[in-house]
Amino acid sequence: GENVEQHPSTLSVQEGDSAVIKCTYSDSASNYFPWYKQELGKRPQLIIDIRSNVGEKKDQRIAVTLNKTAKHFSLHITETQPEDSAVYFCAASRSNFGNEKLTFGTGTRLTIIP
Amino acid sequence: GAGVSQSPSNKVTEKGKDVELRCDPISGHTALYWYRQSLGQGLEFLIYFQGNSAPDKSGLPSDRFSAERTGGSVSTLTIQRTQQEDSAVYLCASSLAGTSESEQYFGPGTRLTVT
Repeated sequence: GENVEQHPSTLSVQEGDSAVIKCTYSDSASNYFPWYKQELGKRPQLIIDIRSNVGEKKDQRIAVTLNKTAKHFSLHITETQPEDSAVYFCAASRSNFGNEKLTFGTGTRLTIIP
Repeated sequence: GAGVSQSPSNKVTEKGKDVELRCDPISGHTALYWYRQSLGQGLEFLIYFQGNSAPDKSGLPSDRFSAERTGGSVSTLTIQRTQQEDSAVYLCASSLAGTSESEQYFGPGTRLTVT
C-alpha cells in the first residue's frame, strides 16, 4: 500500500520568513496530493491540493510543488504569520478526484515566532 | 450550510464494552470516510463508502471494527469489545463523488477514551 513520509516533524520559523514542509510517497499510481491544516482541538481543513498533471500551484501565500519522477511534493508558506501556527498534514490518493482513501503523513507542527 | 457532524463529541467507555459512533455527512455527498487519529499522530484510514458500491474496508484494524451507511447518508462506526489501544479521535469526512469538487470535509471528531 501507499506510504507517505513527512519532514520535518516540528518547524519553528520567525514571523515573516518562509516555511517549507516536504513529503515523499511510495505508490507511483497516486495522483492527488492535498495538504490539510489542523489547529489545536479542531478538525483538519484543506488548504491547497495538487493533481499529477500539474507541477506547481499557488494560492496567495501558499504554494505546493510536485515532482512525480522523484515522488515528492512540498508545501511552501511565504511571509508567515502567527495564525499559520498549526499542524500540517500532507496526503496522497490514487483518484484524480480525490474520492478515495487518503494516506496521510505524520504531520508537521509549525510554530511562528513573533 | 451544515457541515459534517459527529456524535458523541466525547465518549468514555470501559474496556470490553461496545461503542457506536455516528457521522452525518454533508447533504448530497455520496462519499464518506472514517479515519482515526491517535494522540500526536497522523490520520489513519479505516473505511470508505462510495454510493452503492461495496465499501473499502481495507483500513479496519481488526474484526472488532465495523461500519454501516444507511440510506446513503448517515454512517455508524461500531467498535466491539473495546481495548485501550482503541483510544483515539475518530474523524468522519465526506465529499462529492465524480466531480472536480473533491475536497474531503471533516467532522469535529469523536474522542474515544477506553479505561
